[in-house]
Amino acid sequence: QSVLTQPPSASGTPGQRVIISCSGSSSNIGSETVNWYQQLPGTAPKLLIESNNQRPSGVPDRFSGSKSGTSASLAISGLQSEDEADYHCAAWDDSLNGVVFGGGTKLTVL
Amino acid sequence: EVQLVQSGAEVKKSGESLKISCEGSGYSFSTYWIGWVRQMPGKGLEWMGIIYPGDSDTRYSPSFQGQVTFSADKSISTAYLQWNSLRASDTAMYYCARQRDRWRPPDYWGQGTLVTVSS
Repeated sequence: QSVLTQPPSASGTPGQRVIISCSGSSSNIGSETVNWYQQLPGTAPKLLIESNNQRPSGVPDRFSGSKSGTSASLAISGLQSEDEADYHCAAWDDSLNGVVFGGGTKLTVL
Repeated sequence: EVQLVQSGAEVKKSGESLKISCEGSGYSFSTYWIGWVRQMPGKGLEWMGIIYPGDSDTRYSPSFQGQVTFSADKSISTAYLQWNSLRASDTAMYYCARQRDRWRPPDYWGQGTLVTVSS
């Protein structure tokens, strides 16, 4: 059971906007920043969003992140077939003294 | 360009020992933490702990304390993950990942090392 809670799956059609949620608590998301990662099939995770809403260089602006209270969200607009991947959220947990991850969300582009 | 390059896939038997590596380049290896992350087949990511190559300060997640050992050789910009006695349940993909600060989730990731342990 992961400390952060994500829906196991999400889907959308090309061009749509999809939102993936990540729910935590006051000891992680509520007090620390959130990163999001994209993991394409058979590859390593890649940083997509850091510090809640910052896109690293090279990440398309179709990807955006937000945080409110103890929850965070990743929005993908203008969905493309190459966005089909697993998406993971992560944050530091002050109580556990470690990085905690969500269980991952498998995004399917229909 | 920041890169973390991990050693190749391993196939081992239960009870054997193993040490896998992660070589960093393109940044000051000694001044960033290196974390290790496990991904079991078809499952999510689990943070195992971190090491600071500058002074080998090491922190383990309670779930992995006593099961694995982290080490680092800053002279060759390489971090290591070691098992003394593998179990079939250690079969997984293992990633090293850079953490800018101890309390920040990773930014750059290695390509992963697949460890397969047969009983």
